[in-house]
Amino acid sequence: KQEVTQIPAALSVPEGENLVLNCSFTDSAIYNLQWFRQDPGKGLTSLLLIQSSQREQTSGRLNASLDKSSGRSTLYIAASQPGDSATYLCAVRENTDKLIFGTGTRLQVFP
Amino acid sequence: DTEVTQTPKHLVMGMTNKKSLKCEQHMGHRAMYWYKQKAKKPPELMFVYSYEKLSINESVPSRFSPECPNSSLLNLHLHALQPEDSALYLCASSQGGFSRPGNTIYFGEGSWLTVV
Repeated sequence: KQEVTQIPAALSVPEGENLVLNCSFTDSAIYNLQWFRQDPGKGLTSLLLIQSSQREQTSGRLNASLDKSSGRSTLYIAASQPGDSATYLCAVRENTDKLIFGTGTRLQVFP
Repeated sequence: DTEVTQTPKHLVMGMTNKKSLKCEQHMGHRAMYWYKQKAKKPPELMFVYSYEKLSINESVPSRFSPECPNSSLLNLHLHALQPEDSALYLCASSQGGFSRPGNTIYFGEGSWLTVV
């Protein structure tokens, strides 16, 4: 059974720092991995999708990498801002329509 | 337009009530999902509809009854719920159905359900 874990569970940093959020999964037979952010009391916003054949994806200040063989993905946030404060979730998709979520990282960026 | 719309945003219901949550998307997506999220936990999959047919039911109690009237709409009918069913219910959609992986999944803002 696939298990997805995110480290750290919570992170508090000053504005301007570069951050790395980690996601690990136990079964490397995935089709893709998606990163989301969730603001308190809100739905999920898709940030980046990495196909199993890809190594990384970039969008603005965000860069996500995937090492399928080792079961790891990282989300890199450059020059963090208070508006980046949210919970970040990774999710893996296997050979069905099922998306399995990680445990999440709660990020707080203070001015 | 990458919008998934859910109504109502908030719902309070008694344990003997019957209510429904609604979800709509106009992106031409053929897979639609219901997730349940408790506070400070990740979303948990409940149901998946692929091409308007139920493809995944994660052993959800029968007091939750999904319905997909057409490719743009997804309902979740609620009956005889328990207080522990109180949660954020998220609807999502993606372009592909089963065997068409690799598509971004888009979520709605969710419906907050409180069972009293």
